[in-house]
Amino acid sequence: GAGVSQTPSNKVTEKGKYVELRCDPISGHTALYWYRQSLGQGPEFLIYFQGTGAADDSGLPNDRFFAVRPEGSVSTLKIQRTERGDSAVYLCASSPGQGVTEAFFGQGTRLTVV
Amino acid sequence: AQSVAQPEDQVNVAEGNPLTVKCTYSVSGNPYLFWYVQYPNRGLQFLLKYITGDNLVKGSYGFEAEFNKSQTSFHLKKPSALVSDSALYFCAVTLLSGGYNKLIFGAGTRLAVHP
Repeated sequence: GAGVSQTPSNKVTEKGKYVELRCDPISGHTALYWYRQSLGQGPEFLIYFQGTGAADDSGLPNDRFFAVRPEGSVSTLKIQRTERGDSAVYLCASSPGQGVTEAFFGQGTRLTVV
Repeated sequence: AQSVAQPEDQVNVAEGNPLTVKCTYSVSGNPYLFWYVQYPNRGLQFLLKYITGDNLVKGSYGFEAEFNKSQTSFHLKKPSALVSDSALYFCAVTLLSGGYNKLIFGAGTRLAVHP
């Protein structure tokens, strides 16, 4: 597809479980971002990848959150021991390269922890 | 710390009338400014950006925004609103010095255009 693809679109999990959220960026985009959007709020930055490396993970809320991008394309956001407060829409975005330019966002994964 | 304020939770406007969605920012440095729109069940879509140069920026779907450095504002405008413009609008800022899209978003403003 031409856009950023995120799977699943919805995920319901029980408190304490482990979840993985997947992001397929636009082909050729080297920069990849994860954001979290809680109800009624704007997206909040979580982590930025340039290629395979996490160049800025300052937005990850705690060590239960981890993200990888092993081959410089697909990225997975991993959340351990989920809590009800983790419920939010997780957004992935990509952009062509280094520098500041418009980012292209996926539709998001709505995570609900019950 | 960087921040973005969108003082209106909702803006109501009649179709055909001009619209303004307000945004102010606070950064320590030169900002890049963006507007994104979010339709129901769809991702954020880029509307326009300000980097340098002309303070009036034109973007997608007839929208424009004016950068005002002295007032630290970046208000979104459109001369004639359409019902299809009804959506959630986000203003965002990042720093030129950062070199990447670490966007700080406002809380969003819901635009409702009435026929």
